[in-house]
Amino acid sequence: AQTVTQSQPEMSVQEAETVTLSCTYDTSESDYYLFWYKQPPSRQMILVIRQEAYKQQNATENRFSVNFQKAAKSFSLKISDSQLGDAAMYFCAYRQGSSRNFGNEKLTFGTGTRLTIIP
Amino acid sequence: DSGVTQTPKHLITATGQRVTLRCSPRSGDLSVYWYQQSLDQGLQFLIQYYNGEERAKGNILERFSAQQFPDLHSELNLSSLELGDSALYFCASSSETGPRDEQFFGPGTRLTVL
Repeated sequence: AQTVTQSQPEMSVQEAETVTLSCTYDTSESDYYLFWYKQPPSRQMILVIRQEAYKQQNATENRFSVNFQKAAKSFSLKISDSQLGDAAMYFCAYRQGSSRNFGNEKLTFGTGTRLTIIP
Repeated sequence: DSGVTQTPKHLITATGQRVTLRCSPRSGDLSVYWYQQSLDQGLQFLIQYYNGEERAKGNILERFSAQQFPDLHSELNLSSLELGDSALYFCASSSETGPRDEQFFGPGTRLTVL
């Protein structure tokens, strides 16, 4: 079974600085997808960024980027120019690939990292 | 707003009772997923329906059941409730079951069992 590990329960960063959240995962599959979700105090789950395992290029979405190290099974999230609105729980998630593979669309989540932004 | 709606937002009930949580997916989405977020277990996948049929099961207790109706809305039924069932229950939907397709999450139903 696939597992996702987030070893940083809490992180904090000064506003406008850069912070990196860590995630490692374990899988025997070669085709999969990785995601970072943000959960602000409203509890809404919001997709921040996704990465396809077959792509070597790291995904980027505005101030958010990932460092995907497939061999090391590591998938970290870098937030640049941190803003007060970035304060939230961040969850790393895994989804098996092989599209149309019956019953494998579920997301497996890590335990989350609570990010605090210091004004 | 993700387009996924869940009702009720909050539910307070007693042990031994039965409740029904409702989810309306985004217009046109055929897949519905249920997840449970609790302090003990974190975020866990419970069950998935696709176009009315059960597609995958996760860590769903036998006391829990779900279904997806012809109009594609879904209901999660929780019975013989225990204190440990207190959690935030999310519904998510996606348009296809391919891996690229984003799962859009609803706002969740917070269940408190007293």
